[in-house]
Amino acid sequence: GDSVTQMEGPVTLSEEAFLTINCTYTATGYPSLFWYVQYPGEGLQLLLKATKADDKGSNKGFEATYRKETTSFHLEKGSVQVSDSAVYFCALSDTNRDDKIIFGKGTRLHILP
Amino acid sequence: DAGVIQSPRHEVTEMGQEVTLRCKPISGHDYLFWYRQTMMRGLELLIYFNNNVPIDDSGMPEDRFSAKMPNASFSTLKIQPSEPRDSAVYFCASSYDLNEQFFGPGTRLTVL
Repeated sequence: GDSVTQMEGPVTLSEEAFLTINCTYTATGYPSLFWYVQYPGEGLQLLLKATKADDKGSNKGFEATYRKETTSFHLEKGSVQVSDSAVYFCALSDTNRDDKIIFGKGTRLHILP
Repeated sequence: DAGVIQSPRHEVTEMGQEVTLRCKPISGHDYLFWYRQTMMRGLELLIYFNNNVPIDDSGMPEDRFSAKMPNASFSTLKIQPSEPRDSAVYFCASSYDLNEQFFGPGTRLTVL
């Protein structure tokens, strides 16, 4: 079945460092890919998405490119802030099969001032 | 729109008691999801509905758990009887399609 694998955390960085959180997926169809973020004490919220190969999703300085050839959707940010400390979830959804979103296990990010 | 509304936000109960969690999805959203989140197991999908009909309940841990959606604006997740291992944060989410889910703030359940 479809699945998502993301790097384990926690990831600890200093403010203004470059961030990469790796995500790879397995899917039989042509999924849409997502990054969700969960701030402390809150529910998940959509950070960005890409619906087809080579699409780049971006939001709040974060970017991720849908790479079909490597089945990856890595999350990047050029200069992180303390306020980016959160848990990040990679996810996929194969809407052609009208199926539910599959979430990765989440990666906790700590940014030190 | 107020977003997905969950109640209560916190629930503390004793083992063996019945617990009912409530969710009001965003108006117009056809899908409703119930998740459980713990440190050990992460985020788990328990059940989801489409147009008030349960589509996939394979994540419901056991018969002690049940979920209903009597109408498009209300859903409940019930645990009877509750056990300490049910302690977790329970999230409700809704979506118009399967491209983006909107999560509620969660209910933190503690079973003593």
